[in-house]
Amino acid sequence: AQSVTQPDIHITVSEGASLELRCNYSYGATPYLFWYVQSPGQGLQLLLKYFSGDTLVQGIKGFEAEFKRSQSSFNLRKPSVHWSDAAEYFCAVVVNNFNKFYFGSGTKLNVKP
Amino acid sequence: DAMVIQNPRYQVTQFGKPVTLSCSQTLNHNVMYWYQQKSSQAPKLLFHYYDKDFNNEADTPDNFQSRRPNTSFCFLDIRSPGLGDAAMYLCATSRDLMASSLLDGKETQYFGPGTRLLVL
Repeated sequence: AQSVTQPDIHITVSEGASLELRCNYSYGATPYLFWYVQSPGQGLQLLLKYFSGDTLVQGIKGFEAEFKRSQSSFNLRKPSVHWSDAAEYFCAVVVNNFNKFYFGSGTKLNVKP
Repeated sequence: DAMVIQNPRYQVTQFGKPVTLSCSQTLNHNVMYWYQQKSSQAPKLLFHYYDKDFNNEADTPDNFQSRRPNTSFCFLDIRSPGLGDAAMYLCATSRDLMASSLLDGKETQYFGPGTRLLVL
């Protein structure tokens, strides 16, 4: 079955520390990959996306993600976390010929002062 | 400069009392989507409109209906809300259907801020 897995439900990091949020997918073909962020009570904001080409993609707010085909992963990273990054992060996948997103269950990020 | 607008942001309704949530967009996108997101869960697609063509997800309950009177507006009608329907409802748009939009590397879904529905 097609799935998107975010193995970490909650992550807490200190402000200024580096961050990596994990995302794995299980599809036969290379999917289109996205990371969204959702602040409390808000909708989803696109951070970055991967379609093809360079496997390291840069997004907004200093985030980047790396597509690793061999590991079926698309992990989100940030070198130095700010308190305003506290939110929930969703990985999402669209498989070609399917007109919808498959979302992971999300990772809630807490940032300690 | 909001592009996808949802009203109201918070909606309280009574068990069994019909409720309508509203979504409008200034992007002139062809496709509009409704998602249900329960607490600490991923958004779940309920249905989408491609122009006037309605596409229902197989597991969307009959209790949920939608209307799209024109390009800009789309409504979610919950005919008889139950306690289990309390959730955040997200509207999203895309220029075209995902597959064709993604092939040219453009666009994605643009989400509204959501309407949080409380059922008493």
